[in-house]
Amino acid sequence: DIQMTQSPSTLSASVGDRVTITCRASQSISSWLAWYQQKPGKAPKLLIYKASTLESGVPSRFSGSGSGTEVTLTISSLQPDDFATYYCQQYNSYPWTFGQGTEVEIK
Amino acid sequence: EVQLVQSGAEVKEPGESLRISCKGSGYTFTSYWISWVRQMPGKGLEWMGKIDPSDSYINYSPSFEGHVTISIDKSISTVYLQWSGLKASDTAMYYCARRSRALTGYGAFDIWGQGTMVTVSS
Repeated sequence: DIQMTQSPSTLSASVGDRVTITCRASQSISSWLAWYQQKPGKAPKLLIYKASTLESGVPSRFSGSGSGTEVTLTISSLQPDDFATYYCQQYNSYPWTFGQGTEVEIK
Repeated sequence: EVQLVQSGAEVKEPGESLRISCKGSGYTFTSYWISWVRQMPGKGLEWMGKIDPSDSYINYSPSFEGHVTISIDKSISTVYLQWSGLKASDTAMYYCARRSRALTGYGAFDIWGQGTMVTVSS
């Protein structure tokens, strides 16, 4: 199985901050990676697929980059609605696997 | 509206059987794979497996194969997740999720069900 490791596990930030979350894969996943946002008690929401393609309706302050074994999610200017947990997920090979999550909390 | 609607919360005892459901609507059901994702209390997301409604082909995660069964009834646009002998460790929220409509997002999930909470306790 491909192991996905996110860093940091928790991130404290303020509204307006630029935030970056990194996801490292135990082997190359090319660009076959998605990012999700999950709020407490809710289902995850797709933000980005194929590492850098923004899902329709997702604000442009979200962006993704990278390929191979390291990909990143960046929020250019953190908004109050962005405090949540973020997960990466590889779909390069079965079994598809998620990172352990990064909680973005209010500083 | 494109949506996946899951069956309601369940409380079961260890060893019991259970089947939960996920009904798709608002789109061509046979065109999009459906996956099941587990989230244990306070934990992260785990992909359990997927089914292709067009041919009923199933991929399981090795972590779940042999313990759960994924099935489908295309006539009612519904996918199922089934256990024949529940354990306390099966206590979790279970989500169904549809593969993205984008070709390059084939393994990403753009539509999610609301989740089904399964509690296994004696």
